[in-house]
Amino acid sequence: ETGVTQSPTHLIKTRGQQVTLRCSSQSGHNTVSWYQQALGQGPQFIFQYYREEENGRGNFPPRFSGLQFPNYSSELNVNALELDDSALYLCASSWGPGRMNTEAFFGQGTRLTVV
Amino acid sequence: SQQGEEDPQALSIQEGENATMNCSYKTSINNLQWYRQNSGRGLVHLILIRSNEREKHSGRLRVTLDTSKKSSSLLITASRAADTASYFCATDDGSNYQLIWGAGTKLIIKP
Repeated sequence: ETGVTQSPTHLIKTRGQQVTLRCSSQSGHNTVSWYQQALGQGPQFIFQYYREEENGRGNFPPRFSGLQFPNYSSELNVNALELDDSALYLCASSWGPGRMNTEAFFGQGTRLTVV
Repeated sequence: SQQGEEDPQALSIQEGENATMNCSYKTSINNLQWYRQNSGRGLVHLILIRSNEREKHSGRLRVTLDTSKKSSSLLITASRAADTASYFCATDDGSNYQLIWGAGTKLIIKP
């Protein structure tokens, strides 16, 4: 167990709806990154939060947004859901000023299905 | 976009044999990491090797890095049924704020 918890574990939403996914980072970690993993693919970087500020963003549209709270937990929000948003969403926490030169600790993921 | 490519895409071996997976990447890196994923769930960190290192060991795992060829290999010795999983390599993108991943190698250990 990594100490990173994500909720919910599974979710089914209808196209056009909005969804919020949550992540509690490992104790002592101040950086949270979110990844989308489609079936049979490697994870794709969505964005990273460091000390409550977005610190970097991948190639995802603005309808993917996030928050980091003072306790370093984080939320991923997706508006106007599309069928292609169906995927496993992974949260990773790490220590450092947004640098991935140390290992990242991943949660078990949220499986989102859009119908 | 994906930086790393793992080879082979799938590997099936008998328990007790050694398993070797390879990873190639495209740009200069600061470090390369290997992760394991069971049944499409969370990723577990296995080992990190820095660009100035050539080989690293952790238990039954041996990782090599050849920056001139932009490639890495992961060797699992004396494989066990519990090693059945998908294995991913991940590199930093130079900016150090994200990991870039390959599509993974699916390893099946037959009892």
